[in-house]
Amino acid sequence: GESVGLHLPTLSVQEGDNSIINCAYSNSASDYFIWYKQESGKGPQFIIDIRSNMDKRQGQRVTVLLNKTVKHLSLQIAATQPGDSAVYFCAEHNTGKLIFGQGTTLQVKP
Amino acid sequence: DVKVTQSSRYLVKRTGEKVFLECVQDMDHENMFWYRQDPGLGLRLIYFSYDVKMKEKGDIPEGYSVSREKKERFSLILESASTNQTSMYLCASSPLRGAYGYTFGSGTRLTVV
Repeated sequence: GESVGLHLPTLSVQEGDNSIINCAYSNSASDYFIWYKQESGKGPQFIIDIRSNMDKRQGQRVTVLLNKTVKHLSLQIAATQPGDSAVYFCAEHNTGKLIFGQGTTLQVKP
Repeated sequence: DVKVTQSSRYLVKRTGEKVFLECVQDMDHENMFWYRQDPGLGLRLIYFSYDVKMKEKGDIPEGYSVSREKKERFSLILESASTNQTSMYLCASSPLRGAYGYTFGSGTRLTVV
């Protein structure tokens, strides 16, 4: 079956450093990918998305990279701040629905 | 901004009770979804709906039902709550059947005692 997975359950980074969160997906037919951020006690919030005809997309302090050859997605956060501490989920779109990964917890050390 | 509102943030119910979780979105989205979220298991799809009066089973529909009488409202029903339904429940909506992100509500943390 389909699965979307994140490589690491927890990532700890120093404030000000760059963070890279990785995600592997299994379905090469997936056409759209999205990253969500979920803070404690809240619902997931959209961060950035990318369609399968692109390999890179930049937002404010965030960049998503898509490597379709190895079915890999990554989220890069520049100059990580304490407010970035959260669980990050990737999701792929396939057969009309989003399929979510397990999530990576990002801890930012002051 | 799209808003997805879940009626309760925290809920405590007794085993065997019938429980209604309400979700309302204000952006005329066709698609609505119910997920539960448990540690180590991620987000699991319970039911979804692409239109009024439509419903489709997700990955874990057992013990749940849904109702979509109006486009903006999607209700999740636990017919007879059990302790293994203690979880965080998340409602989401999206505009079309195509590839778009979902907008989530804040979640309802349900405890069944």
